[in-house]
Amino acid sequence: DAKTTQPPSMDCAEGRAANLPCNHSTISGNEYVYWYRQIHSQGPQYIIHGLKNNETNEMASLIITEDRKSSTLILPHATLRDTAVYYCIVRVYTGGFKTIFGAGTRLFVKA
Amino acid sequence: GAVVSQHPSRVICKSGTSVKIECRSLDFQATTMFWYRQFPKQSLMLMATSNEGSKATYEQGVEKDKFLINHASLTLSTLTVTSAHPEDSSFYICSARDLSATGERDNEQFFGPGTRLTVL
Repeated sequence: DAKTTQPPSMDCAEGRAANLPCNHSTISGNEYVYWYRQIHSQGPQYIIHGLKNNETNEMASLIITEDRKSSTLILPHATLRDTAVYYCIVRVYTGGFKTIFGAGTRLFVKA
Repeated sequence: GAVVSQHPSRVICKSGTSVKIECRSLDFQATTMFWYRQFPKQSLMLMATSNEGSKATYEQGVEKDKFLINHASLTLSTLTVTSAHPEDSSFYICSARDLSATGERDNEQFFGPGTRLTVL
């Protein structure tokens, strides 16, 4: 299973871009990178996913390096409500598309 | 997007009783649902994969007789914590895959809001 490594915590000033890194050096060619976040005492919320190309949606941008060994989630204008734990996940398929969560990055957005 | 609900959102029970938690896919059908538990300040831990019409697959270290899973329909999976004890107090979260999703969307999972169980 491809595993991910993320910094345990990060701070970001409100209104600034938050750049959350993720290493997934053992990712295989057909595995996607997914990002979820979890606000305190809620279920995880899907943010974005990608395979090779950079992706952007209304929530965030995902930058994947050319060798696919790492990626960065970008929240372009962080708000206080973006304070959450962000999980970078490589989707594995072992008879059921299990999603295995790592420790994630706790992002604190400060006023 | 697809919506997954859980009921109840919070439950408090006495030690030794059993508690049932429901996970429903509201606007899609799911042959596969997943159950997670999460202790304070920790990440989600996958407990089991629930398959409609067949037995659940449990992760290593998870007691199948303790955590009974039933996935009787394409929109409902239940997790029953039997003979609950204080150490079972946790945040239980389910997720579901959309049966009709294809291609990239086949990989997507939709998470419920979680159920907080407190065993006294």
